[in-house]
Amino acid sequence: GDSVTQMEGPVTLSEEACLTINCTYTATGYPSLFWYVQYPGEGLQLLLKATKADDKGSNKGFEATYRKETTSFHLEKGSVQVSDSAVYFCALDQNTDKLIFGTGTRLQVFP
Amino acid sequence: NAGVTQTPKFQVLKTGQSMTLQCAQDMNHNSMYWYRQDPGMGLRLIYYSASEGTTDKGEVPNGYNVSRLNKREFSLRLESAAPSQTSVYFCASSEAHLSYEQYFGPGTRLTVT
Repeated sequence: GDSVTQMEGPVTLSEEACLTINCTYTATGYPSLFWYVQYPGEGLQLLLKATKADDKGSNKGFEATYRKETTSFHLEKGSVQVSDSAVYFCALDQNTDKLIFGTGTRLQVFP
Repeated sequence: NAGVTQTPKFQVLKTGQSMTLQCAQDMNHNSMYWYRQDPGMGLRLIYYSASEGTTDKGEVPNGYNVSRLNKREFSLRLESAAPSQTSVYFCASSEAHLSYEQYFGPGTRLTVT
């Protein structure tokens, strides 16, 4: 079945460091890909998305490119802030209106 | 515009007790979802409702029932709670065929002792 694999955390960085959180997927067909973020004590919210191969999603300085050849959707940011500390979830949707989530990666950014 | 609201925020139950988690959305979305979040497991879909009057099982439906009361409300019931149901429960809604973005409530933290 379809699945999403994320790197295990926590990822611990100093402020202004570069961030990469790896995400790979297994799916038949052409899923849409998403990154959701969960801040402490809150529900998930959409960070960015890409709906077809080679699309780049971006928001709040974060970017991810849909790479069909490597079945990947890695999340990147050039300079993280303390306020970026959260749990990040990669997810896919096979256009069925149901999301399949990865296990989440906790990011901790220290001043 | 409150988005997706859930009640209660916290609940402690004893094994065998029952309770209903309430969820409501004010975005006029057709689709609603219940997930549970467990450490190291990500979010897993319990039940899903594509429209008022319809519900479908997700990945982990055992021990739960749902009711789509109307377009706004989607409740999750635990008939006989078990310690394995200790989790954080999230409700979400979306408008299918637009962007597939799901909007999440703040969650209910449930502990079963």
